[in-house]
Amino acid sequence: DGGITQSPKYLFRKEGQNVTLSCEQNLNHDAMYWYRQDPGQGLRLIYYSQIVNDFQKGDIAEGYSVSREKKESFPLTVTSAQKNPTAFYLCASSITQGDEQYFGPGTRLTVT
Amino acid sequence: EDQVTQSPEALRLQEGESSSLNCSYTVSGLRGLFWYRQDPGKGPEFLFTLYSAGEEKEKERLKATLTKKESFLHITAPKPEDSATYLCAVHGASKIIFGSGTRLSIRP
Repeated sequence: DGGITQSPKYLFRKEGQNVTLSCEQNLNHDAMYWYRQDPGQGLRLIYYSQIVNDFQKGDIAEGYSVSREKKESFPLTVTSAQKNPTAFYLCASSITQGDEQYFGPGTRLTVT
Repeated sequence: EDQVTQSPEALRLQEGESSSLNCSYTVSGLRGLFWYRQDPGKGPEFLFTLYSAGEEKEKERLKATLTKKESFLHITAPKPEDSATYLCAVHGASKIIFGSGTRLSIRP
């Protein structure tokens, strides 16, 4: 079955620690995305990648970093510079940028 | 500035009571409008893509329509399992913008 996996489902960290969220897809999609969702708000784009070894900042990239070394993988690192990291993080992919996106199950990050 | 607004924020219906959700948008150069369904604590699930005014798509009890300024998601004779948050997203000239969603609750 093709799809997108995110791990872990729940993640707890202490303030000041960096944390990396995993995202893997086997849909053979070129484009991948990271979004943040806060209660009562729409999805906000953190980073996106149209192709391997290339990525662009979204609307709220400060305090986050990504890499795209393989087509299947697009990990997101939440750094200690992110002021309000507690949120629900969603990874998505699409055939190319602008096509309908397919989402993973999400990772809920709690930083205390 | 590109904008997407969904209304209402929340909608409670009785089972079988048909209604519509609205997605109003202001973008320069619409390249596509997407509807998603999101269950609590899960990732959004893709429903429809609409590309041009007048286009309609249907799936079971859902029908999406598009005009030059807005899209409607019509739900006919809903069932409790249709309860979810419905998200609209618009692909403008440069990026995709998501609305904040409509929380739909269907009472048995």
